Amino acid sequence: NAGVMQNPRHLVRRRGQEARLRCSPMKGHSHVYWYRQLPEEGLKFMVYLQKENIIDESGMPKERFSAEFPKEGPSILRIQQVVRGDSAAYFCASSPGGKETQYFGPGTRLLVL
Amino acid sequence: GNSVTQMEGPVTLSEEAFLTINCTYTATGYPSLFWYVQYPGEGLQLLLKATKADDKGSNKGFEATYRKETTSFHLEKGSVQVSDSAVYFCALYFGNEKLTFGTGTRLTIIP
Repeated sequence: NAGVMQNPRHLVRRRGQEARLRCSPMKGHSHVYWYRQLPEEGLKFMVYLQKENIIDESGMPKERFSAEFPKEGPSILRIQQVVRGDSAAYFCASSPGGKETQYFGPGTRLLVL
Repeated sequence: GNSVTQMEGPVTLSEEAFLTINCTYTATGYPSLFWYVQYPGEGLQLLLKATKADDKGSNKGFEATYRKETTSFHLEKGSVQVSDSAVYFCALYFGNEKLTFGTGTRLTIIP
């Protein structure tokens, strides 16, 4: 059973470009969470999704950030018009149900030049 | 709101030393508690967990006991190895909600 997969592992963007981060949950998992880790800091919750639904987006910045988890395919975290402050590691986690342990992917390290 | 306070690092120990990393939490109710470990350049791996008071989580020689009276979940290991060098995160969780993490403790073990 493959673990949570994220791609790309590393992403470099220039200011103003768009970044798309993908997350494929573990097989059988229908709940996806996105977290951001700024350098030398802990992880901060961004958004919690189930298939085709955003359950909790209380940690998402109000502008430029969006997330989706379509019926088919991976979950996507999209950052428009990136700025240097968006440079961070973005981790996806999945669980089979909302009350279960979350399993993390290897992360996408975004660098904005 | 919910929060987790972790012992600040970095922590440097010699191989075979005893390890304690303190973790306390603030929460309304009784969350599940976790320790995750992050090796350099990798994602987080679940190390151990406890879901109710007095539960002890254990894995790979690490242990932590859920103490409701002191709202703590301290991580311990009797004899650390160089391979234990990593960043350790304490976290709390209520079902259907997000994990709330501490800031992490960087552990370095020297031979």
